[in-house]
Amino acid sequence: DIVMTQTPLSLSVTPGQPASISCKSSQSLLNSDGKTYLHWYLQKPGQSPQVLIYEVSSRFSGAPDRFSGSGSGTDFTLKISRVEAEDVGVYYCMQGIHLPRTFGQGTKLEIK
Amino acid sequence: ELHLVESGGGLVQPGGSLRLSCAASGFTFSSYWMHWVRQSPEKGLVWVSRISTDGSSTYYADSVKGRFTISRDNAKNTLYLQMNSLRAEDTAVYYCARDYKTMIDSWGQGTLVTVSS
Repeated sequence: DIVMTQTPLSLSVTPGQPASISCKSSQSLLNSDGKTYLHWYLQKPGQSPQVLIYEVSSRFSGAPDRFSGSGSGTDFTLKISRVEAEDVGVYYCMQGIHLPRTFGQGTKLEIK
Repeated sequence: ELHLVESGGGLVQPGGSLRLSCAASGFTFSSYWMHWVRQSPEKGLVWVSRISTDGSSTYYADSVKGRFTISRDNAKNTLYLQMNSLRAEDTAVYYCARDYKTMIDSWGQGTLVTVSS
């Protein structure tokens, strides 16, 4: 199974400041079709997870443009350009190249 | 509007069985692969199973293989998860979720399964 490792596991950020989360996979997520199947989710308190970013850097419908994704191969980053109060929750990366799908441990973002 | 609504969770004794259902609406259910994913405080988000559009292909996590069965009824727009030989470590919120281009793009609200004597 592909192991997904996120750092840090928690973040405390002042509104308006940037934030960054790292996700590393134990195997390359680059598929033979040229696409890299790394996706980012946010689970807000009391809610189900929702897609933010798919295929490393594409923003999902409705995701604010302050969220961006980057990376390749096995190393990926989610960035929030200016954190807002509504961004609190737990962020997860997930690999979509192999079954079983596997998730990172989650990064909890709180507002200072 | 897309909706996935799980039901069937509850308290069950170790070794018991439960069947979860997921009613889908707002999209063409028969055109999408579907997943079950579970979440517990101890293990976080854990993928459980996936089923193809017509139900002919199924995949399971090693931890549930041989005990859980995923199925679907496209005429009823419903996904199922039959869970047998339940263990304490199966305690979790179970989400029904839709597959789209290798990601899980939509999730239900979840149903809680508690395995305890």
